Amino acid sequence: QVQLVQSGAEVKKPGSSVKVSCKASGGTFSSYTISWVRQAPGQGLEWMGRIIPILGIANYAQKFQGRVTITADKSTSTAYMELSSLRSEDTAVYYCARVPSLDMRGDAFDIWGQGTMVTVSS
Amino acid sequence: DIQLTQSPSFLSASVGDRVTITCRASQGISSYLAWYQQKPGKAPKLLIYAASTLQSGVPSRFSGSGSGTEFTLTISSLQPEDFATYYCQQLNSYPPTFGQGTKLEIK
Repeated sequence: QVQLVQSGAEVKKPGSSVKVSCKASGGTFSSYTISWVRQAPGQGLEWMGRIIPILGIANYAQKFQGRVTITADKSTSTAYMELSSLRSEDTAVYYCARVPSLDMRGDAFDIWGQGTMVTVSS
Repeated sequence: DIQLTQSPSFLSASVGDRVTITCRASQGISSYLAWYQQKPGKAPKLLIYAASTLQSGVPSRFSGSGSGTEFTLTISSLQPEDFATYYCQQLNSYPPTFGQGTKLEIK
């Protein structure tokens, strides 16, 4: 059974960048997509973008265009999300999640990482 | 972007109750809707996808229905472990958006 294991909590200064990893344990990415979703304290879920690891193609939510970069290393079955120009409003838990196909329609985010808390504070 | 509106935002119920949560989409999304359960400090857990398909391992007291713009999640008989926040999500088109959540509390 595939698990997604994320890197640990981060504390960052405003204006800096953070890079969070998501490793598929117990399997490989195969024909999946990996999305990144964030959740600010006490708030709802917000999709940031996704990558198709076997193709290396990434798509981003318009809100994060230019600030987020999602990449994947097929050799280690690890996806990465880098967010730059951090501000206090970026303080949130960041999740990776898998869609078990290349087309999300008819599917859903079936496996989630445990979440990575990113705190942005001066 | 497609907007999803859940109602109610808060729901107070007792063990054994039957509860229904509604999710309305700002435009038609066919049956491309999922429901998640989230407990404090935990990642969301997939309950239902394609509007009515129960995810493997999810108890049968959970069910989903609907298509187009109106969807429902029903819990037939609440158990103590069901008190959590529930989110709907549309997967018809990018970006895949979420509803604002429904917090289910113990009465």
